[in-house]
Amino acid sequence: AQSVTQLDSHVSVSEGTPVLLRCNYSSSYSPSLFWYVQHPNKGLQLLLKYTSAATLVKGINGFEAEFKKSETSFHLTKPSAHMSDAAEYFCVVSVDSFKTIFGAGTRLFVKA
Amino acid sequence: EPEVTQTPSHQVTQMGQEVILRCVPISNHLYFYWYRQILGQKVEFLVSFYNNEISEKSEIFDDQFSVERPDGSNFTLKIRSTKLEDSAMYFCASSDRTPYEQYFGPGTRLTVT
Repeated sequence: AQSVTQLDSHVSVSEGTPVLLRCNYSSSYSPSLFWYVQHPNKGLQLLLKYTSAATLVKGINGFEAEFKKSETSFHLTKPSAHMSDAAEYFCVVSVDSFKTIFGAGTRLFVKA
Repeated sequence: EPEVTQTPSHQVTQMGQEVILRCVPISNHLYFYWYRQILGQKVEFLVSFYNNEISEKSEIFDDQFSVERPDGSNFTLKIRSTKLEDSAMYFCASSDRTPYEQYFGPGTRLTVT
C-alpha cells in the first residue's frame, strides 16, 4: 500500500531565505509524485511532478524537487522565498491506479 | 488555458437533504475524480471515474454517494441524505491519463446544518 508523510505541519521562513518542505512516501511500485499548492480559498494548483524521468524536477514559481529512491523522499525546495509563496503545500503519490493519496499538508509562512 | 469548473461555489443544505455538486472537467480529459477536504484536515480521495463507470472508490464513498456523467461535459457528485459530517470542501479533478497530472477545480464548499 502507498502512503505519504509530510514531516512538518508548519514551516516558517523569512522572505529571501531558502524553503525546504519535506515529504517521504511509501510505495510497493514506482510511484508518480506531485506537489500541489493551495492558496487560501483557492483550489489546488500543480507545482511539479515526477513520473520516472529526471530525478530533479523543476516546477513553477522557482520550486523544484528531487526524487531520492534510496531515501523514499521527494522534498520541495526553493532558493529564495517570496511573500506570495505563503500557502499550504501538499505532497501527493499515485501508483499506476486511479487512486491518489495526499499528504497532510505543510503550511508555509513567509515573514517580511 | 483550459480549466476545471465547479458549481456552486458554496452550497448550504439541511441535514437529510439531497445535494448535487457539479463539475465540468477539461474537455478532452477521460478520467474524473472527486475529493473532499474537511476543514483543517487533509484532502481525501472519494472516487475515480473512467469510461462511464467507477474505477476506484474509498471507504468514505458509501451508498449515500453516487457519481454520474449525465452528458458529454458534466460530472456530478450526489449525496443522497446529507449528514453534518459531510460538511467539507469538495474538489473535482480530471486528467487525460492516469496516474498522471490531475487538474483540480476551485471546489464547492458544502455546509450541512
